[in-house]
Amino acid sequence: QKEVEQDPGPLSVPEGAIVSLNCTYSNSAFQYFMWYRQYSRKGPELLMYTYSSGNKEDGRFTAQVDKSSKYISLFIRDSQPSDSATYLCAVRRDDKIIFGKGTRLHILP
Amino acid sequence: DAGITQSPRYKITETGRQVTLMCHQTWSHSYMFWYRQDLGHGLRLIYYSAAADITDKGEVPDGYVVSRSKTENFPLTLESATRSQTSVYFCASSESGSGGRTAYNEQFFGPGTRLTVL
Repeated sequence: QKEVEQDPGPLSVPEGAIVSLNCTYSNSAFQYFMWYRQYSRKGPELLMYTYSSGNKEDGRFTAQVDKSSKYISLFIRDSQPSDSATYLCAVRRDDKIIFGKGTRLHILP
Repeated sequence: DAGITQSPRYKITETGRQVTLMCHQTWSHSYMFWYRQDLGHGLRLIYYSAAADITDKGEVPDGYVVSRSKTENFPLTLESATRSQTSVYFCASSESGSGGRTAYNEQFFGPGTRLTVL
């Protein structure tokens, strides 16, 4: 079983919609959870980071972790065409970060 | 320029040739990483380094060699390139630390090197 599982998409939604991106992970010992965003032909960049369970909000973005079900979510409100990118969930294991395969998101104008 | 840079940005080589990809960071970050990114596999860790002269294998190290004689540089060498090593290679760096510090959990990525092995 992969440590982090993520549906690769692509996911296409109309501008202004709420987007929900999800991942599952296998090891209940993971404590630190991240979402990275990667634009086409660029390197990934950290979007949000959460510790343990709960929600974290930053502008239009909300990251949610449910440790009981080992589920990581990213919600994007009022989605914009500039949000079109690949979103990678990630967890910290020791001194390494384990990435999901990424979900390609297209926001349609 | 401040940040993390990779060179070359694009490289075409032939099977069996040795290729070295360069990575340079100006933040004096302790940690540096090499990943490859392939369709269907996502980002996979090749090697990483916690400090100068300290390196360790990641998920897919076979066929690659790294060194880190200076904190700011972390070259990746393909000793005898194979077609299966055609990929986009990303270098990243991060601060050292532990636990909940955001900086410890943030890796800064370079722009990538697109390598094609014919």
